[in-house]
Amino acid sequence: QSVLTQPPSASGTPGQRVTISCSGSSSNIGSNYVYWYQQLPGTAPKLLIYRNNRRPSGVPDRFSGSKSGTSASLAISGLRSDDEADYYCAAWDDSLSGWMFGGGTRLTV
Amino acid sequence: EVQLVQSGVEVRKPGESLKISCKTSGYSFTSYWIAWVRQMPGKGLEWMGIINPGDSDSRYSPSFQGQVTISADKTISTAYLQWRSLKASDTAMYYCAKTYSGSSNGGFDSWGRGTLVTVSS
Repeated sequence: QSVLTQPPSASGTPGQRVTISCSGSSSNIGSNYVYWYQQLPGTAPKLLIYRNNRRPSGVPDRFSGSKSGTSASLAISGLRSDDEADYYCAAWDDSLSGWMFGGGTRLTV
Repeated sequence: EVQLVQSGVEVRKPGESLKISCKTSGYSFTSYWIAWVRQMPGKGLEWMGIINPGDSDSRYSPSFQGQVTISADKTISTAYLQWRSLKASDTAMYYCAKTYSGSSNGGFDSWGRGTLVTVSS
């Protein structure tokens, strides 16, 4: 069972905005940056958001991240069919001295 | 261009040993940590452990401590994940990933394509 809690699924129609939540605790999200990864079917994960709300070069501004307390969210606006993927949040955990991943959210468009 | 090239598909029997590799290029190997992440069939990502190739300082998830060994050879910019005795439950895709900063708690900005390990009698 993952320490970071995500909804197992999310859905939307093309053009809509969808948000995916990630809930943690004071030892992970509450005291460290949150990262989001996108895993398209049959491929390796890709960094989507780093340091809570920053986008690597090449990631469209349709993707945005936020964090408040021990929770974080990924928002995707202007949904496209090729956004269909699994999305994972992750954060360093000070108690574990290691990384925690969320269980993943499968987005259907 | 940063590249992490992982070794190919492996099929082993329970009890056998295995060492898979992650050869890197395009950046200073000793300046960034390398992590290993497991993905069992149809499941999510699990952090296994992480190594600093510069001094071989490594940390393991409690779930994998004692089950695997992570190592690195800085002369050939390659990280490894090793098992002494495989179990059927080790069947999974294994990814290596590089941190984007020089600390172990920096996120992973580059990933290998994965090595599929199948353990079956």
